[in-house]
Amino acid sequence: DGGITQSPKYLFRKEGQNVTLSCEQNLNHDAMYWYRQDPGQGLRLIYYSQIVNDFQKGDIAEGYSVSREKKESFPLTVTSAQKNPTAFYLCASNHNGLLYGYTFGSGTRLTVV
Amino acid sequence: QKEVEQDPGPLSVPEGAIVSLNCTYSNSAFQYFMWYRQYSRKGPELLMYTYSSGNKEDGRFTAQVDKSSKYISLFIRDSQPSDSATYLCAMSAFDTPLVFGKGTRLSVIA
Repeated sequence: DGGITQSPKYLFRKEGQNVTLSCEQNLNHDAMYWYRQDPGQGLRLIYYSQIVNDFQKGDIAEGYSVSREKKESFPLTVTSAQKNPTAFYLCASNHNGLLYGYTFGSGTRLTVV
Repeated sequence: QKEVEQDPGPLSVPEGAIVSLNCTYSNSAFQYFMWYRQYSRKGPELLMYTYSSGNKEDGRFTAQVDKSSKYISLFIRDSQPSDSATYLCAMSAFDTPLVFGKGTRLSVIA
């Protein structure tokens, strides 16, 4: 079945550590997105990529980094510069042009310990 | 003013009620409008998609877009306990990322 796989489902990070969240899709979608969800905040855009080897900052990119070396993969690194990383992270993808909406993964819950 | 405003609720209704969920927006360039449903600790799933103005119906769900008022709505008829979830409106201009509302948490009580 086609879809988006995010891993791990739960992740714990110590203060000062970098961690990488995985996002893989087999939908042959061109564009991929990372959103952060906090209680009462809705979804806020971190980074997005519309083609391989290119990506753009979203509204809250500070403290995060991404890469897009393959069409099907869009990993997100939460760096130690992100001061409040505890949140639910969602990856999404779609064909360019937004004709069919986004398909979301099941999310990664990151907690700082 | 945020680009997309959505009352976070929570909203509690009895089973069988008609539910009305709404969002307002400020960006007149928005032309793609969507509603997503999100169960607790899951990824959002697309419920309804509308391009530009008008109504769209799918089973018990109806989406309305009024671009003149910058107002979109989702109606759920004959609501069921399984409809209990958070409903997120989302919208975008051409070839730009979706902007989401904060989501409205809905509980349908049996």
